[in-house]
Amino acid sequence: GAGVSQSPSNKVTEKGKDVELRCDPISGHTALYWYRQSLGQGLEFLIYFQGNSAPDKSGLPSDRFSAERTGGSVSTLTIQRTQQEDSAVYLCASSLGPGGTDTQYFGPGTRLTVL
Amino acid sequence: GDSVTQMEGPVTLSEEAFLTINCTYTATGYPSLFWYVQYPGEGLQLLLKATKADDKGSNKGFEATYRKETTSFHLEKGSVQVSDSAVYFCALQANQAGTALIFGKGTTLSVSS
Repeated sequence: GAGVSQSPSNKVTEKGKDVELRCDPISGHTALYWYRQSLGQGLEFLIYFQGNSAPDKSGLPSDRFSAERTGGSVSTLTIQRTQQEDSAVYLCASSLGPGGTDTQYFGPGTRLTVL
Repeated sequence: GDSVTQMEGPVTLSEEAFLTINCTYTATGYPSLFWYVQYPGEGLQLLLKATKADDKGSNKGFEATYRKETTSFHLEKGSVQVSDSAVYFCALQANQAGTALIFGKGTTLSVSS
């Protein structure tokens, strides 16, 4: 079946602009995660959605970052007033449920470059 | 807090050599442990996992055993191939609902023929 998909695959933007990154999880997966992969920081958790519950935003680095998940499926990560340090690969993952043994499956990522 | 430490790379091996990538963790309770692999130009893929002490995860000739006494989950393969060249990430996830993966820094493996 289809895996996690993300769009765009690459995004180049100018400092100060807003960007939106999209994630389509695996059908039927109730849990959705966003991570960021950067050279300096490795892989970091950003935000977690489970069904219709309030998201866990504990990993968001600043209030310029926000995310939503519509209808328990597609998710959008928005970065406002982008800064050069936001340049990274943004990864989305989904899992069947919230349990600690539920495997997370990752999308191919969106490479964001802020000039 | 919980953390994962894995050996620094890069690791450079000849084809058919034995591979070990060390991974140790710090966590409260009994997390699940994972190895993910990222091939050049591709996304993260789950390689193997273990969910309790003494479990052995295995896939594609790779193995790792969950050792609670040494808090380790070392990745091994008896005979590497050029196609195994990739970045390998060790990760843990606490066994409670909705916890994120915590990753090590990643180890780059380069295999030459």
